[in-house]
Amino acid sequence: GAVVSQHPSRVICKSGTSVKIECRSLDFQATTMFWYRQFPKQSLMLMATSNEGSKATYEQGVEKDKFLINHASLTLSTLTVTSAHPEDSSFYICSARDAYEQYFGPGTRLTVT
Amino acid sequence: TQLLEQSPQFLSIQEGENLTVYCNSSSVFSSLQWYRQEPGEGPVLLVTVVTGGEVKKLKRLTFQFGDARKDSSLHITAAQPGDTGLYLCSGGGADGLTFGKGTHLIIQP
Repeated sequence: GAVVSQHPSRVICKSGTSVKIECRSLDFQATTMFWYRQFPKQSLMLMATSNEGSKATYEQGVEKDKFLINHASLTLSTLTVTSAHPEDSSFYICSARDAYEQYFGPGTRLTVT
Repeated sequence: TQLLEQSPQFLSIQEGENLTVYCNSSSVFSSLQWYRQEPGEGPVLLVTVVTGGEVKKLKRLTFQFGDARKDSSLHITAAQPGDTGLYLCSGGGADGLTFGKGTHLIIQP
């Protein structure tokens, strides 16, 4: 199946700083990528849909000015958590869609201290 | 908003036993997916069901899609410790997937 990578896999940052997470589709082009957040012992919650060359669509309750998404190419989407706070600590997972399925990245563990 | 209810939420059984987990909704889905997720990793797709009444088998795992395309079940035969993980059902198509809360499955040796 298709492969999606994320970088970094783990990041620790101080409160008030910004963190960028990259999501890449390695062997296919994805016009649409998705960003999810998962808290411990909970399921995945869709944060936003990222479309190549256009603005992301955010789910209700997700602050677009805090979670900046850029989908610069058909194989790369980035999520920047701006002015991070401890409550932003979570597992962030991206996925990329081809014509048939969504493929998930391995996730990024963000810890804000 | 389409909601997916999964049950049970937690399940711990002995190796060799059989089990079934359920995914139910009041909404009709064009397709349902089942994923398995291990701690610290992304979900891995197990199967997609698209036709009402469809049954798919993946080794010891049997997936069924309800006739009305509102529910699905996952049956595991002779569970093994390697089956331990979080099992998630999801629905949706071209938009982002809606996930159930998952079933945390532990198979004890």
